[in-house]
Amino acid sequence: QKEVEQDPGPLSVPEGAIVSLNCTYSNSAFQYFMWYRQYSRKGPELLMYTYSSGNKEDGRFTAQVDKSSKYISLFIRDSQPSDSATYLCAMSAGDYKLSFGAGTTVTVRA
Amino acid sequence: DGGITQSPKYLFRKEGQNVTLSCEQNLNHDAMYWYRQDPGQGLRLIYYSQIVNDFQKGDIAEGYSVSREKKESFPLTVTSAQKNPTAFYLCASREVGYTEAFFGQGTRLTVV
Repeated sequence: QKEVEQDPGPLSVPEGAIVSLNCTYSNSAFQYFMWYRQYSRKGPELLMYTYSSGNKEDGRFTAQVDKSSKYISLFIRDSQPSDSATYLCAMSAGDYKLSFGAGTTVTVRA
Repeated sequence: DGGITQSPKYLFRKEGQNVTLSCEQNLNHDAMYWYRQDPGQGLRLIYYSQIVNDFQKGDIAEGYSVSREKKESFPLTVTSAQKNPTAFYLCASREVGYTEAFFGQGTRLTVV
């Protein structure tokens, strides 16, 4: 079993829809949670970072963490074609290592 | 501008050759990382370094080597011992005590 599970999709939504992405994890030592966005043939860029259970909002993006269920989510409101990318979740126990999900490919149709 | 620079963007290698990928950062981060990305497999850690002149193997270090002679530089050599080197390679850096990693734009290596 992988430490971090993420549905690779692909996920296709119409412009303006809410995109819902999620990851599950098995390591209860994970305390820090990140979401990265990666455009084709580019390096990942950090979107959201959180370390507590609950919601964190930044513009159209909301990151949600449920440590009791070992489940994290990213919601994108009012999705735009420019949101079309692969979204990676990442987690850390506070040491050197970051564990990544496989990434979910999202396409927002105009 | 602060950031991480990887070069070259595209690299072609003949079978049996060693090749070195460059990674330079001016973020003054202590920790640097090399990841390999294959379709559907996410990012897998090759090597990491938390301080100059020190580095550790990650999950898939076989066939790779690194050096960390300067804080800002962490080159990766893909040796002929790496059986399946065609992949997208990502370098990252991170400040000690923080958990977010920042990535370069990647190098796509193809064996021909």
